[in-house]
Amino acid sequence: ETGVTQSPTHLIKTRGQQVTLRCSSQSGHNTVSWYQQALGQGPQFIFQYYREEENGRGNFPPRFSGLQFPNYSSELNVNALELDDSALYLCASSLEGQGSGANVLTFGAGSRLTVL
Amino acid sequence: DAKTTQPNSMESNEEEPVHLPCNHSTISGTDYIHWYRQLPSQGPEYVIHGLTSNVNNRMASLAIAEDRKSSTLILHRATLRDAAVYYCILRDRINDMRFGAGTRLTVKP
Repeated sequence: ETGVTQSPTHLIKTRGQQVTLRCSSQSGHNTVSWYQQALGQGPQFIFQYYREEENGRGNFPPRFSGLQFPNYSSELNVNALELDDSALYLCASSLEGQGSGANVLTFGAGSRLTVL
Repeated sequence: DAKTTQPNSMESNEEEPVHLPCNHSTISGTDYIHWYRQLPSQGPEYVIHGLTSNVNNRMASLAIAEDRKSSTLILHRATLRDAAVYYCILRDRINDMRFGAGTRLTVKP
């Protein structure tokens, strides 16, 4: 089975620009969660997509938005980039729907965004 | 959200057992205890999870206190490859998983 793949692996943007990050979920998974990880910190939950709808959101402003497609892949969009948006962005997929806390997340290697 | 408390860092010698503690005194009855680890330059990796009973898999063991207010991740023989940040996380039916700062494990040869 294929794992979670993210693209691009690295990118550099300037303040005020917009960025789109992409994630292909693991085969058989139907849910995608996005995390932001600043240097030296744990991952911070941005939001989760299930059945193409946002299904939970962390403490992030509306300029962070996302999409999930019928094949369960996902995009994270960030508008009006700020210097503090520089981070590793992680995508994780899982098989949800049973409402159980037992479900396990499979993470990608991340996209490292640098905002200058 | 129920929160967890872990030591910032721990050291171990290679081929010795490692016990990584986690306190979660406000755990609810539906919270599962998950452990993930993150090796340098990689995304987090699932290690083990449990609800009430101790669990074993090929990577590690999870010992859960009887009152469920604490748990311990046990690596039976640490290798250099086990050097990573280990995260203890509580997850309930709400479908998100919230990470803390984790424990940075250093393994000395």
